[in-house]
Amino acid sequence: GVTQSPTHLIKTRGQQVTLRCSSQSGHNTVSWYQQALGQGPQFIFQYYRKEENGRGNFPPRFSGLQFPNDSSELNVNALELDDSALYLCASSLDPNTGELFFGEGSRLTVL
Amino acid sequence: SQQGEEDPQALSIQEGENATMNCSYKTSINNLQWYRQNSGRGLVHLILIRSNEREKHSGRLRVTLDTSKKSSSLLITASRAADTASYFCATGSASGSARQLTFGSGTQLTVLP
Repeated sequence: GVTQSPTHLIKTRGQQVTLRCSSQSGHNTVSWYQQALGQGPQFIFQYYRKEENGRGNFPPRFSGLQFPNDSSELNVNALELDDSALYLCASSLDPNTGELFFGEGSRLTVL
Repeated sequence: SQQGEEDPQALSIQEGENATMNCSYKTSINNLQWYRQNSGRGLVHLILIRSNEREKHSGRLRVTLDTSKKSSSLLITASRAADTASYFCATGSASGSARQLTFGSGTQLTVLP
């Protein structure tokens, strides 16, 4: 399945964070979502063939990478308090809106 | 921003009863999906219904889609305590970027033993 690390982390405002994701075997598309407490997930961006393939309403300080083995990173610079959320990685066979397979998420707390 | 609105926000039923959750959305879609999330964990895909389909079944799940009303419903029959979770609808857009899913804010279902 999809694995994410770390599961929990605490940062202070202004710091930078890197979250990691390993896709399900055979999947070449990775999407990242942010889920604030009590809300549904919000789309950050998608990577396909190592290129950003769609982006939601998030500022440039949210950036990503996809590696040759289709694993992925989400980087967030200049952390703000509102960045505190569960960050979910999802992989799929198809870059279009088919079924997504989610990891368990990384819980980020910004103090 | 959220595309969909789930209704009700919270639902509490007894084991064995049926649970119905509704989802309304705003823009044209090419598919609608339902996901389940156990407290603070990852989401699990339940079912996908395409815009040209009206009803779909999977085990104890039944999903309907009415594109004229921009709404969908998820029915869970013979509920179990293990069905306790949050349920989200998610839409795939028919225009613009087809690469993202837009989620609603979810229905919290509690099934009492």
